[in-house]
Amino acid sequence: NAGVTQTPKFQVLKTGQSMTLQCAQDMNHNSMYWYRQDPGMGLRLIYYSASEGTTDKGEVPNGYNVSRLNKREFSLRLESAAPSQTSVYFCASSPNPQGNEKLFFGSGTQLSVL
Amino acid sequence: GESVGLHLPTLSVQEGDNSIINCAYSNSASDYFIWYKQESGKGPQFIIDIRSNMDKRQGQRVTVLLNKTVKHLSLQIAATQPGDSAVYFCAENTGFQKLVFGTGTRLLVSP
Repeated sequence: NAGVTQTPKFQVLKTGQSMTLQCAQDMNHNSMYWYRQDPGMGLRLIYYSASEGTTDKGEVPNGYNVSRLNKREFSLRLESAAPSQTSVYFCASSPNPQGNEKLFFGSGTQLSVL
Repeated sequence: GESVGLHLPTLSVQEGDNSIINCAYSNSASDYFIWYKQESGKGPQFIIDIRSNMDKRQGQRVTVLLNKTVKHLSLQIAATQPGDSAVYFCAENTGFQKLVFGTGTRLLVSP
């Protein structure tokens, strides 16, 4: 039972490089999310997709783009990475398009931007 | 993922003790609350949730208490085990797709 799968687990980028973080869930969930986790702060929402075909900005969307490729997959792209984007990134999913049910998280991607 | 923060509040207990982890939430209109456990190098894992029309909910070895008057949430872990060592954080649902997470408390369980 895979749940939420994220790749890669670790990544080091140079400032200005681009990359895409991949996420897939096999629970047939409607909603998917991208969060970042920084020391001393709670998880902060970057973007979410309440249902297939829709995406919306969260609390900290600047510097990121997302694609809800299908119901299973939700990718996060950094077009021009900056040191401020050094963080741990988590993808999550939820069965409820309202977002008011528990989230299921992936194991995270640790990203360093030099 | 890494554990949250370098200076998290820490609760140290002995194996077998009961643990109580507290969380103050911000929005009196929040209608749903969740507790998560995050072990080092892993993603957050759901523990238990509670809706605002309840003041207590019990799971296996865990109980969540909700006091809406003072906007306080607590997680009680009975007979704490070394495997319970992790960072615990609460989250409140403040509206459509607006889940706000706390910064967490580190629980250390000594054998």
